Amino acid sequence: AQSVTQLDSQVPVFEEAPVELRCNYSSSVSVYLFWYVQYPNQGLQLLLKYLSGSTLVKGINGFEAEFNKSQTSFHLRKPSVHISDTAEYFCAVSPYSGGGADGLTFGKGTHLIIQP
Amino acid sequence: GAGVSQTPSNKVTEKGKYVELRCDPISGHTALYWYRQSLGQGPEFLIYFQGTGAADDSGLPNDRFFAVRPEGSVSTLKIQRTERGDSAVYLCASSQTRDYTDTQYFGPGTRLTVL
Repeated sequence: AQSVTQLDSQVPVFEEAPVELRCNYSSSVSVYLFWYVQYPNQGLQLLLKYLSGSTLVKGINGFEAEFNKSQTSFHLRKPSVHISDTAEYFCAVSPYSGGGADGLTFGKGTHLIIQP
Repeated sequence: GAGVSQTPSNKVTEKGKYVELRCDPISGHTALYWYRQSLGQGPEFLIYFQGTGAADDSGLPNDRFFAVRPEGSVSTLKIQRTERGDSAVYLCASSQTRDYTDTQYFGPGTRLTVL
C-alpha cells in the first residue's frame, strides 16, 4: 500500500516570489509520482509526472519537481508565482505494478494562495 | 477534443434513496477510474475498469456502492440506500491504456449531497 503526505494545507505567497510545495510518500514498492492542480471550479489537471530517469522533472506553467528517493520526497517548485497559480495542488503516487490498488493515491492537497 | 464529462454536475438526494452518477470518458480510452473527494481531502480511489470489466474494486467502501461499464465506454456509479456520509464530489478519470505511466484525465465531478 502507498500513502502520501502533504504537510502544508495552505501556503500563502506573494506574487512573483518563489514557492515550494512539499510532498512525501511511503510505499513498499517502487512508485511513479505525479502532481495535479485543481483550479477553482475546474477538474484536476496533470502538472507533471516522474516515471524514471532525471530526478528533476519539468511540467506546465513553469512548475518543476525533484524526486528524492532517499528522502521519499517529490517537492514541487516554481521560481516566480502569479495570481493565476492560485489553486489546490495534489501530490499522487501509482505503483510500478501490482502492490496496491490500481488507482492513484493522493495526498490531502495544498492550497496555494497568491497575495498581490 | 472532448474531455471526460460527468452528469449530473450536482445531485441532491434524501437519505435512503438510490442514485446513479454517469461518466463519459475520452473516446478510445480503455481504462476508467472512479474516485471520491470528501471536503478537505484528496481524491480517494474507488474502482477501476479495463474495458467492460471491473479490474479492481478494492476502494468501494461497502456493498451499497456498485459500478458498471457494459460497453466499455460510459460508466455508471450506483449508490443504494444513500447515507449522509456519502456526500462528496465523485470524480471520474480515464486513460488511454492501463499502463501505470499513462496520464489520467479527470472530469469536473458530480457533487452529491445527501440530506
